[in-house]
Amino acid sequence: QKEVEQDPGPLSVPEGAIVSLNCTYSNSAFQYFMWYRQYSRKGPELLMYTYSSGNKEDGRFTAQVDKSSKYISLFIRDSQPSDSATYLCAMSGQGNAGGTSYGKLTFGQGTILTVHP
Amino acid sequence: ETGVTQTPRHLVMGMTNKKSLKCEQHLGHNAMYWYKQSAKKPLELMFVYNFKEQTENNSVPSRFSPECPNSSHLFLHLHTLQPEDSALYLCASSPQPGQGGDTQYFGPGTRLTVL
Repeated sequence: QKEVEQDPGPLSVPEGAIVSLNCTYSNSAFQYFMWYRQYSRKGPELLMYTYSSGNKEDGRFTAQVDKSSKYISLFIRDSQPSDSATYLCAMSGQGNAGGTSYGKLTFGQGTILTVHP
Repeated sequence: ETGVTQTPRHLVMGMTNKKSLKCEQHLGHNAMYWYKQSAKKPLELMFVYNFKEQTENNSVPSRFSPECPNSSHLFLHLHTLQPEDSALYLCASSPQPGQGGDTQYFGPGTRLTVL
């Protein structure tokens, strides 16, 4: 079983749709959760960062973490063609707790999203 | 220059060649990373450097040799690579090594093709 599971898609939605992207994980030691966006021929850029369970909102983006279910989500409201990219979830633990390593992010495979006009 | 830069952006090399990838971060960070990104696979961490010292080698074959002369520069020396090493190689940096939630900032990557 992979430590982090993410449906690779591809996911295609019309402009204006609400997009839901998800990851599940197996290591209960993960406490920090991130979403990165990667445009074609570019490196990943940090989009959202959350600690432990709860919601965080930034403009059209909302990140949710449910540690009891080991499930994280990214919602994109009013999606735009410029949101077309690969979205990567990533997570890390506190220090070396639970087999996690200092400074190590564990990534999902990434979900390819296309928003068409 | 701002953020994390990488050169070259594209590289084609034969299996007997020796080449180097360069990464420079302009963020004042203390940790630097090399990742490999292959199609349909999660990012694979290769090496971690904290304050110029290597703290992680994720079982990377010896044909990949990292070098970190200072906290701002990171190199990946390549020799006798295999076609399966073709991938996007990403460099990243982060402010506070060894702390949970230390966010990493990525460069644009070097697209490597091994013939």
